[in-house]
Amino acid sequence: DTAVSQTPKYLVTQMGNDKSIKCEQNLGHDTMYWYKQDSKKFLKIMFSYNNKELIINETVPNRFSPKSPDKAHLNLHINSLELGDSAVYFCASSRRQDTGELFFGEGSRLTVL
Amino acid sequence: DAKTTQPPSMDCAEGRAANLPCNHSTISGNEYVYWYRQIHSQGPQYIIHGLKNNETNEMASLIITEDRKSSTLILPHATLRDTAVYYCIVRVFYGNNRLAFGKGNQVVVIP
Repeated sequence: DTAVSQTPKYLVTQMGNDKSIKCEQNLGHDTMYWYKQDSKKFLKIMFSYNNKELIINETVPNRFSPKSPDKAHLNLHINSLELGDSAVYFCASSRRQDTGELFFGEGSRLTVL
Repeated sequence: DAKTTQPPSMDCAEGRAANLPCNHSTISGNEYVYWYRQIHSQGPQYIIHGLKNNETNEMASLIITEDRKSSTLILPHATLRDTAVYYCIVRVFYGNNRLAFGKGNQVVVIP
């Protein structure tokens, strides 16, 4: 069983569309994250939820809206997609919010045309 | 969190020990050193972390200098599957989880 799974793995869409990426972890962890890796390969945190509560919200356009229906799921919805949103989005989880050992998913590659 | 400096890339011979350096000269007393790696097209993978004592697990060993200003990740017997970007990260152990990934060190294991 995959510990942190993301869907879809690939997503190609037009500018202006709205899309969602889903993430699920079966590790029983309390904390989940969204990271973005751009074309230059820099990996930056976007959001973090602890027990369904938002605890980290970096400077991210409000077109990006995370939602955590329960602590095993963290979805990312993106409105009005722009070319600059093209990136690989990684979901991750950790046992607690204060640990540095994160478990990452395989990533979702978003391409905006 | 303190910044780290790593070489942008290095080659290692398959079957030999790979020693990956990291400088963190501004590290403070309550900051740990974490190592992650990212194999091409995969998510980052946690390897090991430590404060001041040397640490070892099934993947690697971490050697931290006495003044804690630098560390070395040792892969004891490098294999082709160890080819990856390795990230050295410094963070407060009980801090928030803004793991700051830098550019990392592209390590290529050569047959």
